[in-house]
Amino acid sequence: RKEVEQDPGPFNVPEGATVAFNCTYSNSASQSFFWYRQDCRKEPKLLMSVYSSGNEDGRFTAQLNRASQYISLLIRDSKLSDSATYLCVVFPAMNTGFQKLVFGTGTRLLVSP
Amino acid sequence: NAGVTQTPKFRVLKTGQSMTLLCAQDMNHEYMYWYRQDPGMGLRLIHYSVGEGTTAKGEVPDGYNVSRLKKQNFLLGLESAAPSQTSVYFCASQAASSYNEQFFGPGTRLTVL
Repeated sequence: RKEVEQDPGPFNVPEGATVAFNCTYSNSASQSFFWYRQDCRKEPKLLMSVYSSGNEDGRFTAQLNRASQYISLLIRDSKLSDSATYLCVVFPAMNTGFQKLVFGTGTRLLVSP
Repeated sequence: NAGVTQTPKFRVLKTGQSMTLLCAQDMNHEYMYWYRQDPGMGLRLIHYSVGEGTTAKGEVPDGYNVSRLKKQNFLLGLESAAPSQTSVYFCASQAASSYNEQFFGPGTRLTVL
């Protein structure tokens, strides 16, 4: 089983729609969670961190469900400019030594007029 | 601030040729990373460094070497390029503490014929 799994999509939605992505992780002791956005042929950039209490940034809402080991990203009122690939990123448990972020393969979103 | 820069942006190599990819960051970050990204595979960590003069292997290190002689630079070398190394290579940097955001460079598109 992969450490971080995402539905690759693509999710095709019209402008103004609400869309949600889920991501599951295998390590129950994982500490921190993030969503990164990657535009076509560009580098990934941090979209938002995911907190246990959930967090919202404008049209974007991220939630964490530790019991079921998944995180979600909800996008409301989709814009054409939201078309991108969304990467789920997990920071594993704090063991001895340096720990590295684990990236999912991404979910592609296409927003159409 | 330029953030994270990578040179070159594009390169075509013949099998067996060597090259060095340069990554530079001006944010005084301690941690630096080299990833490769292939369709359907997501970001895979090649090598990383937690400080000047130190490097470590990631999940796909074979065929690559790295050096971090200066804190701001992280070099990725291919001694004898193979077609399997055709990929997009991203460098990233991060302030110490794995809870911090990773900043990515714009990527290098490498084709090995």
